[in-house]
Amino acid sequence: NAGVTQTPKFQVLKTGQSMTLQCAQDMNHEYMSWYRQDPGMGLRLIHYSVGAGITDQGEVPNGYNVSRSTTEDFPLRLLSAAPSQTSVYFCASTARGEAFFGQGTRLTVV
Amino acid sequence: GNSVTQMEGPVTLSEEAFLTINCTYTATGYPSLFWYVQYPGEGLQLLLKATKADDKGSNKGFEATYRKETTSFHLEKGSVQVSDSAVYFCALSRTGTASKLTFGTGTRLQVTL
Repeated sequence: NAGVTQTPKFQVLKTGQSMTLQCAQDMNHEYMSWYRQDPGMGLRLIHYSVGAGITDQGEVPNGYNVSRSTTEDFPLRLLSAAPSQTSVYFCASTARGEAFFGQGTRLTVV
Repeated sequence: GNSVTQMEGPVTLSEEAFLTINCTYTATGYPSLFWYVQYPGEGLQLLLKATKADDKGSNKGFEATYRKETTSFHLEKGSVQVSDSAVYFCALSRTGTASKLTFGTGTRLQVTL
């Protein structure tokens, strides 16, 4: 019963470094999404995918890239980290009108 | 655009008290409405949902009714428990698939003995 698995759980980056946040789901869901959670702002959609090979931008896509080469995986890439990207990141997969969330990655950019 | 407005928290209640967390939304058409709960250190879990006007979602003693005339989806529970302490998020989706959710800012609930 893995559901949605995110790695790592915690990460500290220096400004300008790059990294990839991993997300994998084992429920064979077509839809996957990335959100960031900031204090006082709820969760905001970064990018989403409606199936392998198809991605689109959400509300706050700048500074982030995604790809979806398989149904299971939906990695989020930060090409050049900035302090404004300090946040908690959640991946979700969706089916039948319900979103299932991972446990999150807490990212700090110094 | 779409937006969700929730009451500010934190909300502090004694065990067995009645809970209401207000949620109103702005969206065109007929969005689906959701309440998600986030326990400390965890991801979000779906608590309940409603997909059309006058629908009532319910789960674990929590209820919310989709009111299109007032564009509201208030969360209620008749008797809260300490274990209900968490952050509650109201959200909407216009896609019907919940792949693109618009969230409110969240309301922290603290229940004390």
